[in-house]
Amino acid sequence: RKEVEQDPGPFNVPEGATVAFNCTYSNSASQSFFWYRQDCRKEPKLLMSVYSSGNEDGRFTAQLNRASQYISLLIRDSKLSDSATYLCVVTRTGANNLFFGTGTRLTVIP
Amino acid sequence: ETGVTQTPRHLVMGMTNKKSLKCEQHLGHNAMYWYKQSAKKPLELMFVYNFKEQTENNSVPSRFSPECPNSSHLFLHLHTLQPEDSALYLCASSPWDSGATSYEQYFGPGTRLTVT
Repeated sequence: RKEVEQDPGPFNVPEGATVAFNCTYSNSASQSFFWYRQDCRKEPKLLMSVYSSGNEDGRFTAQLNRASQYISLLIRDSKLSDSATYLCVVTRTGANNLFFGTGTRLTVIP
Repeated sequence: ETGVTQTPRHLVMGMTNKKSLKCEQHLGHNAMYWYKQSAKKPLELMFVYNFKEQTENNSVPSRFSPECPNSSHLFLHLHTLQPEDSALYLCASSPWDSGATSYEQYFGPGTRLTVT
């Protein structure tokens, strides 16, 4: 079983739409969770960390459900510039090994 | 600009060639990483160096040989590669300590490698 699983998409949504991505992880020892963003032919960059209580950063909301071992990312009021691949990432306590999902591709359409 | 640079950005090599990829970080981090990104697959961690010491080798074939002369530089030496090794090779760096914190990793732009 893969360490991290994501729906690869693609998700094509109109500007202004709300879109949600889910991700599941297999190892209950996972302790830290992140969403990274990767633009076409560019390197991944951290979008936001995911905290147990859920956290928000502007139009982006991340949530964690430890019991079900899934992480979500909600994007409100989508912008054209949000078009990218969103990577779900988990790691274990004290470890610097990141486990990446395959990514979910989002295209925001004018 | 991420503060992590990689050279070359593109590389085409034959299966009998020997080449090296270079990574340099200007962020004062003490951990560096090599990842492989192939189409339709998740990023695969290849090697981890903490304070110049290799701490992880994820069953990577010996035709890939890493070298970390200091905390700012990381190399990946390549020899007798196979066509299936064609991929984007990403270097990353992060702070690291032996505690419980997992830190953000900063990636370089990658080297797109084609093995012919």
